[in-house]
Amino acid sequence: DIQMTQSPSSLSASVGDRVTITCQASQDISNYLNWYQQKPGKAPKLLIYDASNLETGVPSRFSGSGSGTDFTFTISSLQPEDIATYYCQQYDNLPRVTFGQGTKLEIK
Amino acid sequence: EVQLVESGGGVVRPGGSLRLSCAASGFTFDDYGMSWVRQAPGKGLEWVSGINWNGGSTGYADSVKGRFTISRDNAKNSLYLQMNSLRAEDTALYHCARGFLIEDWGQGTLVTVSS
Repeated sequence: DIQMTQSPSSLSASVGDRVTITCQASQDISNYLNWYQQKPGKAPKLLIYDASNLETGVPSRFSGSGSGTDFTFTISSLQPEDIATYYCQQYDNLPRVTFGQGTKLEIK
Repeated sequence: EVQLVESGGGVVRPGGSLRLSCAASGFTFDDYGMSWVRQAPGKGLEWVSGINWNGGSTGYADSVKGRFTISRDNAKNSLYLQMNSLRAEDTALYHCARGFLIEDWGQGTLVTVSS
């Protein structure tokens, strides 16, 4: 099974800060990596697909990069509405997928 | 508009069984693989099971393998999850999700395993 190691598990940052979350796969998953945002009481929202592609309608301050085993998710300038938990997800060996453990982002 | 409506959750004793259902509409159901994803109270997302478009390929998380069975009925636009030998750690909100690059989620059905 492919394991996803996401870090950090929580993060506190100020409005305007650049925020970075990483996700490491236990084996090569090419670019089959997505990033989701989940706000309390809501269903997750897809932000980035295939490692670096921005979902339609998602603000450009969100970005993703990486391939193989190491991936990065970045918010270039943190906004108050970005407070949420973020998850990576691999889908290299369908129909099995795996989520990372999540990163809870808070405002400092 | 895509709609995914789960049902079948409830309170069950350890060792018991439940069958979850997901009624899908607003898209061509048999064009998509489907997933079940759960979230325990205060915890992260956990993928539970997935099935390809025609049911010919299925996958399970290690935590549920041998106890849960996913299936689908394309004629009824429905997805199912048969859950046997339930444990306290299976307590969660269970979401039906369209595909594996998931753009659409149901609101979930709550499963509580407690004596």
